[in-house]
Amino acid sequence: KQEVTQIPAALSVPEGENLVLNCSFTDSAIYNLQWFRQDPGKGLTSLLLIQSSQREQTSGRLNASLDKSSGRSTLYIAASQPGDSATYLCAVRLILTGGGNKLTFGTGTQLKVEL
Amino acid sequence: NAGVTQTPKFHILKIGQSMTLQCTQDMNHNYMYWYRQDPGMGLKLIYYSVGAGITDKGEVPNGYNVSRSTTEDFPLRLELAAPSQTSVYFCASSPRQNSNQPQHFGDGTRLSIL
Repeated sequence: KQEVTQIPAALSVPEGENLVLNCSFTDSAIYNLQWFRQDPGKGLTSLLLIQSSQREQTSGRLNASLDKSSGRSTLYIAASQPGDSATYLCAVRLILTGGGNKLTFGTGTQLKVEL
Repeated sequence: NAGVTQTPKFHILKIGQSMTLQCTQDMNHNYMYWYRQDPGMGLKLIYYSVGAGITDKGEVPNGYNVSRSTTEDFPLRLELAAPSQTSVYFCASSPRQNSNQPQHFGDGTRLSIL
């Protein structure tokens, strides 16, 4: 059974710092990995999606890496801003036998960027 | 472009009552999903559908039912509400052809059962 773990559970940093969020998964047979952002009382917004054959993806100040063989992914946020405060969720995608696909989620890292 | 729309946003239900959570998407996605998110936990898959008329169980289907009569709509039904079903429910959708496209999520339905 696939399990996804995110460390740390919560993180508080001053504005401007670079930071790294960690995600690990137990079964390396994933189709891809996705990082989401969740604001309080809101749904999930997809940030980055990394194919199983890729090593990293970048979008603006965000960079996500994937080491499939070791079951790890990191989300790097450069020059953090108060607007980055949110919960960040990592999810791995598996293909289901009946078609479709399933995301297995970690429990998230709650990030607070302080002025 | 509305994306994935869920109604209601909030609801309080009494134990034993029934209710349907509505989900509709306007992106012509074939695949739709229902997840629940409990405090401090990740999302868990309840049911999913790969197209109209086709549904299948996810990780935590007990106590729920779904139907998919159209491509756009994927309602989730609670028949006999129990306190353990207090949660935030998220509906999501994704295209058929390419699993490398991200799933799109609604804003959630916050359901309390008292």
